Amino acid sequence: KAGVTQTPRYLIKTRGQQVTLSCSPISGHRSVSWYQQTPGQGLQFLFEYFSETQRNKGNFPGRFSGRQFSNSRSEMNVSTLELGDSALYLCASSLQTGAGNTIYFGEGSWLTVV
Amino acid sequence: KQEVTQIPAALSVPEGENLVLNCSFTDSAIYNLQWFRQDPGKGLTSLLLIQSSQREQTSGRLNASLDKSSGRSTLYIAASQPGDSATYLCAVLNSGGSNYKLTFGKGTLLTVNP
Repeated sequence: KAGVTQTPRYLIKTRGQQVTLSCSPISGHRSVSWYQQTPGQGLQFLFEYFSETQRNKGNFPGRFSGRQFSNSRSEMNVSTLELGDSALYLCASSLQTGAGNTIYFGEGSWLTVV
Repeated sequence: KQEVTQIPAALSVPEGENLVLNCSFTDSAIYNLQWFRQDPGKGLTSLLLIQSSQREQTSGRLNASLDKSSGRSTLYIAASQPGDSATYLCAVLNSGGSNYKLTFGKGTLLTVNP
C-alpha cells in the first residue's frame, strides 16, 4: 500500500514568486493536513481538509492557501514568497479524524526561497 | 492554547542502554497522543498512538505511556541501537473545536553511540 506522496521533493524559488505543492494521501484516506517545519518554530499546523472542505486553519497569513480534490489529493499554494517561507512542508493523511486514527506523513517538500 | 514540551532536547547514550524520553502537555482535553520519529531530511514515521482512554502502548522495544490527568507521556526505548538515532517527536490531538490538528513538541534528538 503506497504511503503519502508529496511532489516536488525539492524546489528553489525567488522572493515574490508563488509555489504549488502537491500531496497524494494513502488510498482511502479522506483527511489531509499540512504542516510547516522550520528549525526555529518546529512543526506548525497550516490547514486540514476533509472531503474537499477546509475544516481548520492554522495561524498563517492569507498567502498560504490550499484545496482538496474529489479524489482526496490536495495542493497547497504560497503566493508572494518571502525568505521566511523556506521550510520543509509536510503533508499528512488519515482515514478520518478522532481518537483512534493514526496520522501518516509524507517525506515532505523542501522549499528554499532565495 | 495547547503547548507541548519535550525534555531533554538532546540525548546521547551508549548502545544497549535503556532510555526514557519525556513529553508534557498543558491541556488534558486530548483525543490521543502520538509519538513520531524523524530521520534527517525525512518525513515523520508514526511509532505509537495512545488514545486518551488508554494508559500505554507497546511496539517491539518501544513502550509509550500516557497520564492524561497530569499531562505527561513517556517513550521508553529498551536496548537502544545506533539505528535508533533520530529526532523523536510527540504530538497531541485535541478534542473539541480544534480536533483536526496535531500540536507538536520541539522533539528530542537521540544519538546512540556504538
